[in-house]
Amino acid sequence: KAGVTQTPRYLIKTRGQQVTLSCSPISGHRSVSWYQQTPGQGLQFLFEYFSETQRNKGNFPGRFSGRQFSNSRSEMNVSTLELGDSALYLCASSFSGELFFGEGSRLTVL
Amino acid sequence: KQEVTQIPAALSVPEGENLVLNCSFTDSAIYNLQWFRQDPGKGLTSLLLIQSSQREQTSGRLNASLDKSSGRSTLYIAASQPGDSATYLCAVQSEKLVFGKGTKLTVNP
Repeated sequence: KAGVTQTPRYLIKTRGQQVTLSCSPISGHRSVSWYQQTPGQGLQFLFEYFSETQRNKGNFPGRFSGRQFSNSRSEMNVSTLELGDSALYLCASSFSGELFFGEGSRLTVL
Repeated sequence: KQEVTQIPAALSVPEGENLVLNCSFTDSAIYNLQWFRQDPGKGLTSLLLIQSSQREQTSGRLNASLDKSSGRSTLYIAASQPGDSATYLCAVQSEKLVFGKGTKLTVNP
C-alpha cells in the first residue's frame, strides 16, 4: 500500500510569490491535515480536510489556504510569500485517529 | 488552550540502555495521544497510538503509557540501539492536534 505522497519535495521561491503544495493520502483515507514545521516553532497545525470540507483550522493568516478534491487528494496554497514561511510542510492522512505522514515539502523563501 | 511539553529536549545514552521519554499536556480532555519518530529532514513515522480509554500500548521494544488524569504519557524504549537515534515527538488530539517540541535521542555504539 503506497504511503502519503507529497510534491514537490523541495522548492525555492522569492518573497511575494505564491506556492502550491500537493498531497496524495493513503488509499481509503478521507482525512488529510497539513502542518508547518520550523526550528523555532516546532510542528504547528494548519488545517484539516475531510470529504472535501475543511473541518478545522489552525492560527495562520489567510494567506494560507487549502482544499481537498473528491479523490481525497489535497493542496495547500501560500500567497504573498514571506521569509518566515520557509519551513518543512508536512501532510498527514488519517484513519481511525492514527496519522500517517508524508516526507514533506521543504520550502525556502529568498 | 492545549500545551504539550516534552522533557528532556535531548538525551544521549549508551547502546543497550533502557530509557524513558516524557510528554505532558495541560488539558486532559483528549481523544488520543500518538508518539512519532522523525529522522533528520524526513517526515514523521507513527510509533504508537493510545486512545483516551486506553492506558498503554506496546510495539516490539516500545511501550507507551497514558495517564489522562495527570496529563502525562511516557515512551519506554528497551535495549536501545544506534538505529533508535532520532527525534521523538508526542502529539495530543483534542480539538486540534498539538505537538510537543520533541526529544532528540542519540544512542551511542
